[in-house]
Amino acid sequence: SAVISQKPSRDICQRGTSLTIQCQVDSQVTMMFWYRQQPGQSLTLIATANQGSEATYESGFVIDKFPISRPNLTFSTLTVSNMSPEDSSIYLCSVSTGTGSYEQYFGPGTRLTVT
Amino acid sequence: GQQLNQSPQSMFIQEGEDVSMNCTSSSIFNTWLWYKQDPGEGPVLLIALYKAGELTSNGRLTAQFGITRKDSFLNISASIPSDVGIYFCAGRFLNTGNQFYFGTGTSLTVIP
Repeated sequence: SAVISQKPSRDICQRGTSLTIQCQVDSQVTMMFWYRQQPGQSLTLIATANQGSEATYESGFVIDKFPISRPNLTFSTLTVSNMSPEDSSIYLCSVSTGTGSYEQYFGPGTRLTVT
Repeated sequence: GQQLNQSPQSMFIQEGEDVSMNCTSSSIFNTWLWYKQDPGEGPVLLIALYKAGELTSNGRLTAQFGITRKDSFLNISASIPSDVGIYFCAGRFLNTGNQFYFGTGTSLTVIP
């Protein structure tokens, strides 16, 4: 497995602002993902963060709203742009550690509240 | 997106009892993962399943990859208070890379 940290752990933001969430892994990983978990709900994949190229977004999520960077094999950021109260969720980073292993390990999450 | 239905939605059991929960899909999956999530934490991977019929244990936890490949089961034996949490299944199709679809979750409460 891998040790994954996220910053910030929580934040309260005003409508219309943006927040960048950082995900740091203690070892190089092949795949990094960003999920959203709305209050009391299951997890939904936002995008796969690709190193050195644009992220791959799932249906219903767009780059303008959720820009993602992945400059190397241990770090990624997710920005939630022009926030509205509907963006209040837990945002989770996950990683898959090796080719052929589909196991995903999650960070502790970032709890975002938009007022 | 794909719907993975978990049942039961919630369970209230006495400490020491065994627990069974399942996850069903309308589609065939190639990989099943089971997670536990504590309040305020990220999900923790419990068990990974890769072959139809596979039965895998992790301590008091046992999970099975259903023969039809459309379902999976998780059993917890002799429950203890720290088993409290939300359990999620996640499934992956063949040829969809690492994309997993998550189930609706089963909330477990253990009464001491």
